[in-house]
Amino acid sequence: QSVLTQPPSASGTPGQRVTISCSGSNSNIGSKYVFWYQQFPGTAPKLLIYNNDQRPSGVPDRFSGSKSGTSASLAISGLRSEDEADYYCAAWDGRLNSRLFGGGTKLTVL
Amino acid sequence: EVQLVESGGDLVKPGGCLRLSCAASGFTFSTSTMNWVRQAPGKGLEWVSSMSGSGRYIYHADSVKGRFTISRDNAKSSLYLQMNSLRVDDTAIYYCVREGGIAGEDFDSWGQGTLVTVSS
Repeated sequence: QSVLTQPPSASGTPGQRVTISCSGSNSNIGSKYVFWYQQFPGTAPKLLIYNNDQRPSGVPDRFSGSKSGTSASLAISGLRSEDEADYYCAAWDGRLNSRLFGGGTKLTVL
Repeated sequence: EVQLVESGGDLVKPGGCLRLSCAASGFTFSTSTMNWVRQAPGKGLEWVSSMSGSGRYIYHADSVKGRFTISRDNAKSSLYLQMNSLRVDDTAIYYCVREGGIAGEDFDSWGQGTLVTVSS
């Protein structure tokens, strides 16, 4: 069981806005940056959000990240079929001295 | 262009050992913190090990501590993972990952992965 908790699945229809949550503790999300990764089947993960709410070059502004206390969220607006993928949150844990990943959320576009 | 190419994955028996390699190019390897991240079949991502550019700072996940060792050769722009006492639950795709390419702690570049299968 992951220290960072994500819902195993999420879904939405094209054009809709969906959010994926990531819950942690004071030693990780509460005091460290949060990152989000997107992974399509059979491919390596890709950085989607860094430092809680920053988008790397090339990531559409439909994707946004936020953090409050010991929780973080990834929001996808204007949902598209090509957004169907697995999404992982991540953060360093200062108590464990380990990089943590959430268990992942499989996003389905209905 | 950043390129990370892993190699060394194979089928190995429980208790056996394996050495993974990652050849890096397209960036200043010697100043980059590098990581290994693995993904068991059908499962999520699990961070394995991290090593700073100088080699001064090394971290391992508890699940591999004492069995796996991360190392690097900056002259060859290569990262390694020595895996000993392998267990069935070490079966996974192992990714070589660059850290801090954008802002400090981000995992911005990933290799394609190499498959390690531990089975009798």
